Amino acid sequence: EPEVTQTPSHQVTQMGQEVILRCVPISNHLYFYWYRQILGQKVEFLVSFYNNEISEKSEIFDDQFSVERPDGSNFTLKIRSTKLEDSAMYFCASRATGAGELFFGEGSRLTVL
Amino acid sequence: QQPVQSPQAVILREGEDAVINCSSSKALYSVHWYRQKHGEAPVFLMILLKGGEQKGHEKISASFNEKKQQSSLYLTASQLSYSGTYFCGTELNTDKLIFGTGTRLQVFP
Repeated sequence: EPEVTQTPSHQVTQMGQEVILRCVPISNHLYFYWYRQILGQKVEFLVSFYNNEISEKSEIFDDQFSVERPDGSNFTLKIRSTKLEDSAMYFCASRATGAGELFFGEGSRLTVL
Repeated sequence: QQPVQSPQAVILREGEDAVINCSSSKALYSVHWYRQKHGEAPVFLMILLKGGEQKGHEKISASFNEKKQQSSLYLTASQLSYSGTYFCGTELNTDKLIFGTGTRLQVFP
């Protein structure tokens, strides 16, 4: 069964460092998302991406964040200068249509020291 | 815009039923339901679209009251595997699925 894959599974970084989280969505999907979940809390929307541009973004997704689809398969989330409060699990998700179910990856745990 | 879920937590014995509710203050295009087990990614359960279309797993049922912007997830004859946190997600006809705060369900033998 096709699945969304994310790397790395866990990354530890120092405050102020840049981090890139990578995702390979399901191959025939056209809509891509990043969510984050601080331990024990809700799943928070960060950004949606379609047709090589951002569709929607949340207030969390400030200038420190960016997304990119550098080739036909990868979808990346970059955090330019990490803060302690960026520590969270980051989930990538994709779906085939704009009204369908989301398929989530297993997540990338980011720890900022 | 964040949907409100109730109750926050439910404790069941195997075989018991539960209802989880989700409400929004805005007119919804769709409601999604996902279950997340500890340390894992959310897994799709059900989607309910404006106009009545539904898609989901056979053993899961849910309702969507478009006028009240409310949805309910019905878990019947619960099994141990039903334990986890249930999230509803709502969309307002934009590409932005927002999740509620979750309902923690624990099923005991």
